[in-house]
Order: sequence, then structure tokens, then C-alpha cells
Amino acid sequence: AQSVTQLGSHVSVSEGALVLLRCNYSSSVPPYLFWYVQYPNQGLQLLLKYTTGATLVKGINGFEAEFKKSETSFHLTKPSAHMSDAAEYFCAVSVYRRGSTLGRLYFGRGTQLTVWP
Amino acid sequence: NAGVTQTPKFRVLKTGQSMTLLCAQDMNHEYMYWYRQDPGMGLRLIHYSVGEGTTAKGEVPDGYNVSRLKKQNFLLGLESAAPSQTSVYFCASSYSTGLYGYTFGSGTRLTVV
Repeated sequence: AQSVTQLGSHVSVSEGALVLLRCNYSSSVPPYLFWYVQYPNQGLQLLLKYTTGATLVKGINGFEAEFKKSETSFHLTKPSAHMSDAAEYFCAVSVYRRGSTLGRLYFGRGTQLTVWP
Repeated sequence: NAGVTQTPKFRVLKTGQSMTLLCAQDMNHEYMYWYRQDPGMGLRLIHYSVGEGTTAKGEVPDGYNVSRLKKQNFLLGLESAAPSQTSVYFCASSYSTGLYGYTFGSGTRLTVV
């Protein structure tokens, strides 16, 4: 079965500091991995995704994530936090098995990022 | 290009009342999904559809029904609302199996009193 664990339901950083949001997954087959962001009272927006190829993935708003198979991790980073980054972030994993009709997304429980001025 | 549109955005129901949430997408996506979001629980899949006329149960289907009569629309029904169904509901769609991610609507905030 697939699962996603986000370590830390709340993360606080100062403006300009490094942002690190942790995500570990479990999957018996090669996964596709995603980070979504949710701003208050809005739906989820795709930040970035890893499917195949380069393990360091760059997304919107200066975020990036690195797929580390040996660590089953897909941590999200941003070198310098901005006030506008305050939001909830969700990690998700999708797997596809030959013959299946669905490559479902399984979501973590989310990490709320607070950015202090 | 509207993407995924959910109506209504807010609703308050009394226990036992019924209602239908509408999701419409204009991207010609085959797959559509209904999720509920509760604090600390992330997103949980209620029902999904892999094409017009098809529906299937997700993780938390009890108390909900769905229909996909038209490819662009996916309806979520609550026949007899309960306070436990107070939540934010999100609809999403994807082009194919969902392997490359979903497009989400902006959500419906439902309160059952």
C-alpha cells in the first residue's frame, strides 16, 4: 500500500530563512511524487512534481524538491522564505500498475508553514 | 479557461437535510474525484469516476452518493446530512489515470448543524 508521511504539522521560519518541509513515502513500485500548496480559503495548486529523470525538481515560486530513493524521501525546500509563502503544503504520491485503471494520489496530512517578519 | 468549478462555495444544512454539490470541468478530463478535507486529516477520497457513467468508492464513501451523467460534471450528494459531514469538499479532475497530478476546484465549505 502507498502512504505519505509529512513530518511536522506546523513549521515556522523567519522571512529570508531556509524552508524545509519533510515528506517520506512508502511504495512498492516506483512512485510519482507531488507537492501541492493551499492558500487560505483556496483549492490546492501544484507546486512541482517528480515523474522520471532528474531527481532534483524545480517548481513555482522558487521551491524545489529532491527525490531520494534510498531514503524514500521527497523533501521540499526554498532557500529564502517570503511572507507570501505562508500556506499549507501537501505531499502526495501516485503509483501506476500495469492493468490498473487509476493512478490515484495519496496525500499526506499537510504541513502548515508560518513565516515571521 | 475556468478549470474546475465548484458550486456552491458555502452552505449550512440542518441535520437530516439533503443537498447536491456540483463540480464542473472544462478541460475534457476523463477522471474526476471528490475529496473531503478535515483539520489534521489531510485529504480523503470519497468517490471517484474514471469516465462518463462510471463511479467508484474511495476511502470514506459512507453517507455520500455520486453521479457522472455528463463527462464534464461530477455531482456529490448527501441524502441525510449529519454533523460529521461538516467539512470542506474539494473536487478534482485529471486527464488520464491521475498519474501526473490533479487540477482542483476552490472548494465548498459545508456546515451541518
